[in-house]
Amino acid sequence: DIQMTQSPSSLSASVGDRVIITCRASQSIGSYLNWYQQKPGKVPELLIYGASSLQSGVPSRFSGSGSGTDFTLTISSLQPEDFATYYCQQSYRSPYTFGQGTKQEI
Amino acid sequence: QVQLVQSGAEVKKPGASVRVSCKASGYTFSDYDYAIHWVRQAPGQSLEWMAWINAGSGNTKYSQKFQGRVSITKDTDASTAYMDLGSLRSEDTAIYYCARGVAGAGGLRFDYWGQGTRVTVSS
Repeated sequence: DIQMTQSPSSLSASVGDRVIITCRASQSIGSYLNWYQQKPGKVPELLIYGASSLQSGVPSRFSGSGSGTDFTLTISSLQPEDFATYYCQQSYRSPYTFGQGTKQEI
Repeated sequence: QVQLVQSGAEVKKPGASVRVSCKASGYTFSDYDYAIHWVRQAPGQSLEWMAWINAGSGNTKYSQKFQGRVSITKDTDASTAYMDLGSLRSEDTAIYYCARGVAGAGGLRFDYWGQGTRVTVSS
């Protein structure tokens, strides 16, 4: 199975800050990398797919980059509603594994 | 609008089986471009992919971790997918989600999710 490792596991930042979350795959996955946001007690929501494509309806302060094994999710200006846990997921090969999550604290 | 509505919470004893349903609406359930995936989340843990079914072809694929214990089926007329998990143990206590998988440019992603079904395994 492809292992996905996120860093950091938790992150404290202030409103307006630029935040970067990284995700590393245990082998090359091309650009088959998705990012999800999960707010406490809620369902995961797709933010970014194909490493850098913004899902419809997602604010433009979210962006993704990377290819191969190293990927990043950037929030350009953190907003209070961005308090959530963020997960990366590889869609290169089944089983479609997720990272352990990065908990964003405001 | 696309919606996935799951069945209600379940409490099961170890060794029992559970069935979770996922009723889709707002799109053509049997369209070959979409699949229903099942993902679970144990308390305080990350997300874990379990299996998928293409409602158009009926093709299925299971995570090897759950092979032999999980079965994914569909009722196309009812636009509903089902996930059966057997030989339950306490470690299967989790929220089980169905999600619509769409492939194409940008690769597979899960763009709509059900509300989740809490399954508790306890003696």
